[in-house]
Formats: sequence, C-alpha cells, structure tokens
Amino acid sequence: DTAVSQTPKYLVTQMGNDKSIKCEQNLGHDTMYWYKQDSKKFLKIMFSYNNKELIINETVPNRFSPKSPDKAHLNLHINSLELGDSAVYFCASSTSERIEETQYFGPGTRLLVL
Amino acid sequence: GNSVTQMEGPVTLSEEAFLTINCTYTATGYPSLFWYVQYPGEGLQLLLKATKADDKGSNKGFEATYRKETTSFHLEKGSVQVSDSAVYFCALSAGYGGATNKLIFGTGTLLAVQP
Repeated sequence: DTAVSQTPKYLVTQMGNDKSIKCEQNLGHDTMYWYKQDSKKFLKIMFSYNNKELIINETVPNRFSPKSPDKAHLNLHINSLELGDSAVYFCASSTSERIEETQYFGPGTRLLVL
Repeated sequence: GNSVTQMEGPVTLSEEAFLTINCTYTATGYPSLFWYVQYPGEGLQLLLKATKADDKGSNKGFEATYRKETTSFHLEKGSVQVSDSAVYFCALSAGYGGATNKLIFGTGTLLAVQP
C-alpha cells in the first residue's frame, strides 16, 4: 500500500487555468505538508496542516489555497496559473509529537504551465 | 535564520569509490538533521537522520555524524554502486515542535556513479 499518494502525477495546462492536486496518506499521521521543487531541484515548504488546521503558510501567493477535509487528506488548489508555477509539488506527512519526526513524501505532481 | 549549505554537484564517481557529500547548517536551537535521496522521477525517501550532537545516522552503507562544533552533517559511503545514482538532499527540521516543524533543504547534490 502506498503510504503517501498524490494525484495526478503529471499535469499540463494553460496559463490562467485553475487546477487542483490531491494528496492522501494512510500512515495515521496528524500533520501534512506541501513542498515545491523548482527546476533547479530546490525544495521549499509552502504549507502545513495539523488536524485540518493551517499551521505554516510560507509567503505563498494567495492564488494557492490548500484545503484539508480531514487529517488524512490535503489538497492544493491553484487559481490563475502562471508560467512560474511550473514545478514539482510534493505532499508529505508526519506525526507532530517531536521535532525530529520523519516526514514521508509522496511521489510528486509534475505541473507544467504553458 | 535557518539554512543548509551543500556541496555543488554533480559528483561523478566510479563504482566502489568512496563518497563524501558535504553539508553544513546554520540554525537556532538544536535542530534534527536528515539526508533524503531522490531517485530519477521519484519522490524523496529518508536515507538517514540524527537528532542530537554526536549522533550517527546510518542506512544502506551510508553514514553521517551530527557535529555541533563544526555545524556539519557530511554524508559518506565507503563503496558506491551504480544504483546509488540519485540526488541527495541535506535538511534540518526547524520549528517549535509539533506541527510547526518544517524541513529546510539544501540545494541537493547529484551523484552519478559509473560502472
């Protein structure tokens, strides 16, 4: 069974469109994250949620809106897509008990905006 | 602030060569340190971690020791294989515990092992 899954794996779309990426984890974790990996492989945190509550919001444009319907799911909706949004988006999950908890990553969603 | 600096790649080695990928960090407090690996077209997998000074993390022949005095967490392997070819990320966990934790990543180092 896949621990952290994301859909879709690939997403090709036009500028100005709105798209969503979904993430699900079956590890029983209470915290989920979105990270963005740019074309140079640099990874940066975007958001984190704990038990459906937004905890981290790292100066991301408000065109990006995360939603967590329950603690096993975290979705990312992007409005008015721009060329610079092209990247790989990774979902991750962990428990929140201690700072050293491992984050488990999904396979990524490769978004290309044309 | 918190940051991680990794050696620039790519690193190209022959099979069975010794590997070192340097990683240094800047952090307030006492972060946990991680090495993640990303194989082509895949997500990130935890390779190893260390949670306090002088801890050594190890997995699959890879090792790294948390050195507080030099703020370093260098990754080493005694004999690399072609299957080790991947991008390696050093990271620290910053936050105040609980769900405020976030990973701060280095820029990644591409390792290419030739037969």
